[in-house]
Amino acid sequence: GAGVSQSPSNKVTEKGKDVELRCDPISGHTALYWYRQSLGQGLEFLIYFQGNSAPDKSGLPSDRFSAERTGGSVSTLTIQRTQQEDSAVYLCASSLEPRSGEAFFGQGTRLTVV
Amino acid sequence: QKEVEQNSGPLSVPEGAIASLNCTYSDRVSQSFFWYRQYSGKSPELIMSIYSNGDKEDGRFTAQLNKASQYVSLLIRDSQPSDSATYLCAVRYSSASKIIFGSGTRLSIRP
Repeated sequence: GAGVSQSPSNKVTEKGKDVELRCDPISGHTALYWYRQSLGQGLEFLIYFQGNSAPDKSGLPSDRFSAERTGGSVSTLTIQRTQQEDSAVYLCASSLEPRSGEAFFGQGTRLTVV
Repeated sequence: QKEVEQNSGPLSVPEGAIASLNCTYSDRVSQSFFWYRQYSGKSPELIMSIYSNGDKEDGRFTAQLNKASQYVSLLIRDSQPSDSATYLCAVRYSSASKIIFGSGTRLSIRP
């Protein structure tokens, strides 16, 4: 595709439910990142995938959060047993080469836990 | 803890003037440095990348990197109201590694 695509754009869920957020990176991009941005705050790193290497999961805030990247392309971020503090915009980015590191963002998924 | 620090602002600059945005980072081995612009309610947009000491110019934007001082800056010449946004500094510490973002500086260009 022309850019990074995320779905859904908005998600409202009840506390305690599980949610899945999807990211479709730019075709050919080998690196994929997930970030979280709470209202008025900076970008909080969650997880980084690079090719076939083991992902860097160091930013995942708890074991309720997990992510997969299938076939080196599409990624899914799963949040189990959602809490109100999980409410934020979840941003996905991809980059072509690990050396350059220029990452391009999708439009984000706004998650609201009620 | 590797950190990227920015003044949160807001930084108010008159139209036509030079806006200067600053960023410091904690890890000396950092390799790649980026500036992103984020309009309210939108995703970050890459403006500049810089990898070696010195200046890099692209139109009205100039990125400056000083690895010895662990300092990177962004200059915006001839500031326009459309430049009003939050500017995020980002650092990559090595190839094939995560990118860490600062909390951003809010820039306001007053007519």
